[in-house]
Amino acid sequence: QSVLTQPPSASGTPGQRVTISCSGTSSNIGTNNVNWYQQFPGTAPKFLIYSNNQRPSGVPDRFSGSKSGTSASLAISGLQSEDEADYYCAAWDDSLNAWVFGGGTRVTVL
Amino acid sequence: QVQLQESGPGLVKPSETLSLTCTVSGGSISRSNYYWVSIRQPPGKGLEWIGSIYYSGTTYYNPSLKSRVTMSVDTSKNQFSLRLRSVAAADTAVYYCARLADYYGPGFDTWGQGILVTVSP
Repeated sequence: QSVLTQPPSASGTPGQRVTISCSGTSSNIGTNNVNWYQQFPGTAPKFLIYSNNQRPSGVPDRFSGSKSGTSASLAISGLQSEDEADYYCAAWDDSLNAWVFGGGTRVTVL
Repeated sequence: QVQLQESGPGLVKPSETLSLTCTVSGGSISRSNYYWVSIRQPPGKGLEWIGSIYYSGTTYYNPSLKSRVTMSVDTSKNQFSLRLRSVAAADTAVYYCARLADYYGPGFDTWGQGILVTVSP
């Protein structure tokens, strides 16, 4: 059971917009920044979004993040086949004194 | 561009100690505003933070693993290490090293390729 809650799967057709939620509590998302990571099978996670809504250099602007209260979201607009991957949210938890992750969401392009 | 590379045995017997080293290249491990991190991922499952270490030796461990984990840093070799004692089958996972950068909020901005460690007799 992950501390941050994500839906196990999400899907869309090419060109659509897909949104992934990440639900936490006041001790993690409610207080600290949220990051998002993209992971393809058999490879290491890739840094996708930081500080809730910022993109590292090289990340397409199709990817966007947001945060409200104790929840965060990742949106992929103009979905492409190459976006098929697992996506994880992460935040520091002040109560646990630990970095916590969501369980991951597998995005499928139909 | 900083790169991280994990190394160590891929097979560890139950009750023994898992030892991994992460070598940092392309930049100094002694730079301020970076922590060096161990994260693991059991097969088919999600990510779990194990711990973080600063170049000065300051450490932070996941409370769920704290009793079994030790991280250390060797600045002369630009390496940091993870030791996990008394392993069991549940410790079978891909172990990643990563860099935690203050600049990113903070965030894990650079990752090693990962190494699969299997706990089996």
